[in-house]
Amino acid sequence: EAGVAQSPRYKIIEKRQSVAFWCNPISGHATLYWYQQILGQGPKLLIQFQNNGVVDDSQLPKDRFSAERLKGVDSTLKIQPAKLEDSAVYLCASSLDRAGRHEQYFGPGTRLTVT
Amino acid sequence: QQPVQSPQAVILREGEDAVINCSSSKALYSVHWYRQKHGEAPVFLMILLKGGEQKGHDKISASFNEKKQQSSLYLTASQLSYSGTYFCGTETGTASKLTFGTGTRLQVTL
Repeated sequence: EAGVAQSPRYKIIEKRQSVAFWCNPISGHATLYWYQQILGQGPKLLIQFQNNGVVDDSQLPKDRFSAERLKGVDSTLKIQPAKLEDSAVYLCASSLDRAGRHEQYFGPGTRLTVT
Repeated sequence: QQPVQSPQAVILREGEDAVINCSSSKALYSVHWYRQKHGEAPVFLMILLKGGEQKGHDKISASFNEKKQQSSLYLTASQLSYSGTYFCGTETGTASKLTFGTGTRLQVTL
């Protein structure tokens, strides 16, 4: 079974530039998550999709971050414009259904450096 | 509110045991445990659901005390491969989302 795919793996941009990350979840997984993980901390949920719809985006900085999940499969996360504090690893995860009773499978992540 | 893990870090010799605790200020519906090796994605270990159950596989087990709003992860006869950072993820309320803890860095040496 193929795992969660993410691209790119690494990205270096200057502040105020924009960047986009792509995620392809495990086939058949209804729930998709984007997490931000700052060095030395646990993953922080940015947004959670259930199929096409957004379940939770309470911690997504909506003035600069946006995300969509097309046709309930692939997803993209965009940052525009980036700030220095956005430097982190962005993890995509998927699960069969909503979080509580189902394990989450994480992708390899995208390491973003904002200079 | 982020769950608090203790200890923050622990160093073990191969074969020794360790306990990692995860405490929440809110009532818990479920607790997930993940291990993350340096530069890699978190890997699922186990889920404990509301009901105070205990789970385990191989030499890693966990308990969930609903009344105390806490979970503990037990690593028995540790192996070098157990090294990494352990995170608990807690589900509170009906949001069906996880809030990850502060992390516990575990290093197993020869």
